[in-house]
Amino acid sequence: AQTVTQSQPEMSVQEAETVTLSCTYDTSESDYYLFWYKQPPSRQMILVIRQEAYKQQNATENRFSVNFQKAAKSFSLKISDSQLGDAAMYFCAYRKNTGNQFYFGTGTSLTVIP
Amino acid sequence: KAGVTQTPRYLIKTRGQQVTLSCSPISGHRSVSWYQQTPGQGLQFLFEYFSETQRNKGNFPGRFSGRQFSNSRSEMNVSTLELGDSALYLCASSLGPQGSSYEQYFGPGTRLTVT
Repeated sequence: AQTVTQSQPEMSVQEAETVTLSCTYDTSESDYYLFWYKQPPSRQMILVIRQEAYKQQNATENRFSVNFQKAAKSFSLKISDSQLGDAAMYFCAYRKNTGNQFYFGTGTSLTVIP
Repeated sequence: KAGVTQTPRYLIKTRGQQVTLSCSPISGHRSVSWYQQTPGQGLQFLFEYFSETQRNKGNFPGRFSGRQFSNSRSEMNVSTLELGDSALYLCASSLGPQGSSYEQYFGPGTRLTVT
C-alpha cells in the first residue's frame, strides 16, 4: 500500500527566509506523480507544485521548488523568500500512474513570522 | 472558469440521521473524488467517480455512498450518522482519465458536524 509521511507537524520561518518541508513516501511503482498542496486557514486547497517520477529534473514554480530523490523516495518542498501569505497547512500527495486516487500525508502547518 | 463548488458549506446533523452533500466539478472535468478530512486522520480517500461510474473506493463503511450524474455533478450520502463522521468533506475534480497526469482541483469543502 502507498503511504505518505510528513514528519514535521509544524514548521516556522521568518519572512523573506527559506524553509524546507519534508515528505517521504512508500511505493513499489516506478511511474507515479507527486504533488504539494497548500491549504490556507479556512480556505480551499490549492496545488503548489507537481513532479512526474519519470522526470529527473526537479520541478520549480516561482519561489517554490522541490528536491525529488527517487531512490530515497523523498520529495521535499523548498519555499524561498517566504511571505506572510505562505502561512498554511501543506500536504504532500502521491498518485499512481494508473487510477486517480491520491494518497496524502498528514500535513505540515507552516507559520511565517513577520 | 468557475472552480469546484460544494453545497452546503456547513451542516449540523444529529446521530442517526442521513446527509447528502453535493459537488459540482470544474466545467469539462469528468472525474470527481471525495475525501474526508479530520484533525486526527488527515485526508482520507472516500471514492472516485468518472463518467458516472465508481472507479475507486477507499476503506470506509457502506454507510458512505456516492453517485455521479451525466453532467459530472456528484453527490455523497452518509446514512446513520455517527459522531465520528464529523469532518470536513472535500470534493476534488480533474479531467481524468485513468493514467493521466492531471492534478486534482479541490472545492472549499462541506463542514459536517454530528451532535
